[in-house]
Amino acid sequence: GENVEQHPSTLSVQEGDSAVIKCTYSDSASNYFPWYKQELGKRPQLIIDIRSNVGEKKDQRIAVTLNKTAKHFSLHITETQPEDSAVYFCAAKGNTPLVFGKGTRLSVIA
Amino acid sequence: EAGVAQSPRYKIIEKRQSVAFWCNPISGHATLYWYQQILGQGPKLLIQFQNNGVVDDSQLPKDRFSAERLKGVDSTLKIQPAKLEDSAVYLCASSSAGSYNSPLHFGNGTRLTVT
Repeated sequence: GENVEQHPSTLSVQEGDSAVIKCTYSDSASNYFPWYKQELGKRPQLIIDIRSNVGEKKDQRIAVTLNKTAKHFSLHITETQPEDSAVYFCAAKGNTPLVFGKGTRLSVIA
Repeated sequence: EAGVAQSPRYKIIEKRQSVAFWCNPISGHATLYWYQQILGQGPKLLIQFQNNGVVDDSQLPKDRFSAERLKGVDSTLKIQPAKLEDSAVYLCASSSAGSYNSPLHFGNGTRLTVT
């Protein structure tokens, strides 16, 4: 089955700096890669997703890149703000149900 | 649109007791999921329904967990008897069936504490 590894587990950045979170997956059949943001005590919310026919997708300060050959994808947040502080989860889906990484706790220091 | 509704929000029980969680998905969403999220980890799928049929329950501990979605809308997840390691947040999610990779919409979850 699919296995998703996520790094780093914690990340601290200064406000205004960029943050990068990386994930690798094992199943070459995976073709859908969403990213979820979960604030403390709240539900995971989809922030961006990418499909395997696209190498990069951007939405304002958030971008995701996908390298199918290397089986890894990354989340990039630019000009970070304190409200970006949360746990971020990557996930991968192909022929099996969505599998999540273990999460990255991002802290943006004002 | 109204989101995924779950109840109760919190539940505290003793080990060996039973507990049930309820979920009402977004209207029109044919696919419903139950995830278990242990503190500090990502959500882990327990069971996936398509309408009222089970698509995947390979990670559901069937000796103690059961779930149903009788009319293809609401769903209940039951644990009987509960163990200490069942302490977690139980998240329900739904997605439309129109697209194979349609996004999951999560409910606020039920936080279960087993003492």
